Amino acid sequence: EPEVTQTPSHQVTQMGQEVILRCVPISNHLYFYWYRQILGQKVEFLVSFYNNEISEKSEIFDDQFSVERPDGSNFTLKIRSTKLEDSAMYFCASSESEWRSGNSPLHFGNGTRLTVT
Amino acid sequence: GESVGLHLPTLSVQEGDNSIINCAYSNSASDYFIWYKQESGKGPQFIIDIRSNMDKRQGQRVTVLLNKTVKHLSLQIAATQPGDSAVYFCAENRKNNAGNMLTFGGGTRLMVKP
Repeated sequence: EPEVTQTPSHQVTQMGQEVILRCVPISNHLYFYWYRQILGQKVEFLVSFYNNEISEKSEIFDDQFSVERPDGSNFTLKIRSTKLEDSAMYFCASSESEWRSGNSPLHFGNGTRLTVT
Repeated sequence: GESVGLHLPTLSVQEGDNSIINCAYSNSASDYFIWYKQESGKGPQFIIDIRSNMDKRQGQRVTVLLNKTVKHLSLQIAATQPGDSAVYFCAENRKNNAGNMLTFGGGTRLMVKP
């Protein structure tokens, strides 16, 4: 069964450094997402991406965050200057279509654990 | 405030019994609901979804019930197995969202005793 893959599985970085989290969504999916989960807390929406642009973003997704689809298979999340509170599991997800057009749930990767020291 | 929440943080059941995991939502504009299972070290795994024009939907060993009157969602797992042990999240999508911005509940941990 096709799956969303994320690399690396664990990333350790120093405060103030830039990090790029990488994702390969399911190949025929058109909608891409980043969510995060701080340890012991809920999964939170960050951003959705369609047709090479951001379609929706949350308050968490400030100017320090950016997303990019550099080629036909990868989808990346960049944090320009990491803060301690950015430490979390970051999940990439993809869906075949927008929910309004039919049953198209999000399929999640196994996440990247980001630790900011 | 508007939120999706779970009644029980931990549910312990005997192997072979049926499990029921509950979720309450407060936003009547929500019209799409999903149950996810999350095992340790993994991402949320889709289990089953339901739209607000339905009351019940069945999958393999799982059933989701939606009661819009009391804004309640439940996940029923038949003949619970040790492999069902995980944290279960309900998530909602709201009509006024442009995309797939899911709002997740806090999660219920299901523990299956052999």
